[in-house]
Amino acid sequence: GENVEQHPSTLSVQEGDSAVIKCTYSDSASNYFPWYKQELGKGPQLIIDIRSNVGEKKDQRIAVTLNKTAKHFSLHITETQPEDSAVYFCAARRGSGAGSYQLTFGKGTKLSVIP
Amino acid sequence: GAVVSQHPSWVICKSGTSVKIECRSLDFQATTMFWYRQFPKQSLMLMATSNEGSKATYEQGVEKDKFLINHASLTLSTLTVTSAHPEDSSFYICSARDQGTAQYFGPGTRLTVT
Repeated sequence: GENVEQHPSTLSVQEGDSAVIKCTYSDSASNYFPWYKQELGKGPQLIIDIRSNVGEKKDQRIAVTLNKTAKHFSLHITETQPEDSAVYFCAARRGSGAGSYQLTFGKGTKLSVIP
Repeated sequence: GAVVSQHPSWVICKSGTSVKIECRSLDFQATTMFWYRQFPKQSLMLMATSNEGSKATYEQGVEKDKFLINHASLTLSTLTVTSAHPEDSSFYICSARDQGTAQYFGPGTRLTVT
């Protein structure tokens, strides 16, 4: 089955700096890669996603890049703000076949933005 | 964006009793709904997947007779924890997938069994 590795597990940045979280996946059949932000005591919130036919996607201060050959994808947050502090999860899902409806999650990255 | 609600947001129950958690997709029809369990400082653990009108598919190690899932309509799924015990205390999160590929999560339900 799919295996998703996420690094780093914790990340502290100064307000205004950029933050980068990286994930690798094992299943070459995976073609959908969402990122979720989870604040304490709340459910995960979808913040951005990318499909395998696209190499990069941007939404204001958030961007995701995908390298299919290397099987890794990254989340980039620019001009970080204290409200960006949360746990971020990457995930991967294959497009067809067994398990095609299931997301496989990374273990999460706790991002702390220091004012 | 798509909204998924859960009710209740938190519940305390006594050992041996049953608890029902509701999950609703508010502004879209969910072809598939998922139930996750999350322990403190850990990732999400998929418990089961359900499609409307079909029996749920449970992940290995999840007791289907203990965690009853009913996906009655395209906007409602329920999880019933039967004969709850303290070890069932956890954060339960539902998720719904729309007609496309995106999957949205509810706010979660904190269950405490005393």
